[in-house]
Amino acid sequence: DVQLVESGGALVQPGGSLKLSCAASGFTFSSHWMSWVRQAPGKGLEWVANIKYNAAGKYYVDSVRGRFTISRDNAKNSLFLQMTSLTVEDTAIYYCARWATSTLPNWYDLWGQGTLVTVSS
Amino acid sequence: QTVVTQEPSFSVSPGGTVTLTCGLSSGSVSTSNSPSWYQQTPGQPPRTLIFNTYSRSSGVPDRFSGSILGNKAALTITGAQADDDSDYYCLLCLGSGIWVFGGGTKLTVL
Repeated sequence: DVQLVESGGALVQPGGSLKLSCAASGFTFSSHWMSWVRQAPGKGLEWVANIKYNAAGKYYVDSVRGRFTISRDNAKNSLFLQMTSLTVEDTAIYYCARWATSTLPNWYDLWGQGTLVTVSS
Repeated sequence: QTVVTQEPSFSVSPGGTVTLTCGLSSGSVSTSNSPSWYQQTPGQPPRTLIFNTYSRSSGVPDRFSGSILGNKAALTITGAQADDDSDYYCLLCLGSGIWVFGGGTKLTVL
C-alpha cells in the first residue's frame, strides 16, 4: 500500500527536544519532495517545512526556522523532523505529507495519519 | 507578512451551491500561486480535493470545482450533500519555497 506512517510524538517539557519520523512505503520515496504540516488543537493547518527529494533544499516557516530541522534518509524511505527549544505553541498533530511534483504547480497528494506532540510542564 | 484569507464559516442547505474563497492580505491570487484545496473532518488527516487551481483529485465528486474568481481562488460545491459538512483549507505558494495555508472555512450543511 502507498502510505506514510508518522511516529515519535510524545509529551515533552518546554525547552525540550523531540525527533519525529515518517516511514514511507509503496512508492519511490527518493523521487518526491516531502513536507511536515502541523495542526494545533482546534486550529487550522500550518505548513512547517519542505525538503527536496535529494535533501539539497530545505524550507521552513518563520516560526520554526533555527529550531526545527527537516531531513530524510532515502535508503530507508524515511523523513524526519528534529525539533528543539520546544514551546507550548508547538503543541500540535504533526502530519507527514508528500508533494505530487518537483516543480510548480504543486500540491499534497498523500498524507499520513499524524503524530501528536504535546509541549507542557 | 502575507496572510492567506478564508471565510471562517459558511452555511449551505442540502442541494444548494456554495463558493468558498481564498485570498491574499496583499495582492491577488493567480494560478502561479498553485492553489489547492483540502477537506478535513474531525480526527482525520486532510483529503486533497482540488489541485493546480482547477483539477479534481482522484475520487473527488464532480460537484466540487476550483477556479479563480476575481483576485481569489475559489472552491465551489454544487449540490451540497450532508457529508460535505467539513473544514476546508486552501494552500498557496508565496514563492521562495514558502507555502501558506488559509485559516480554513468551517462549512455547515443544514
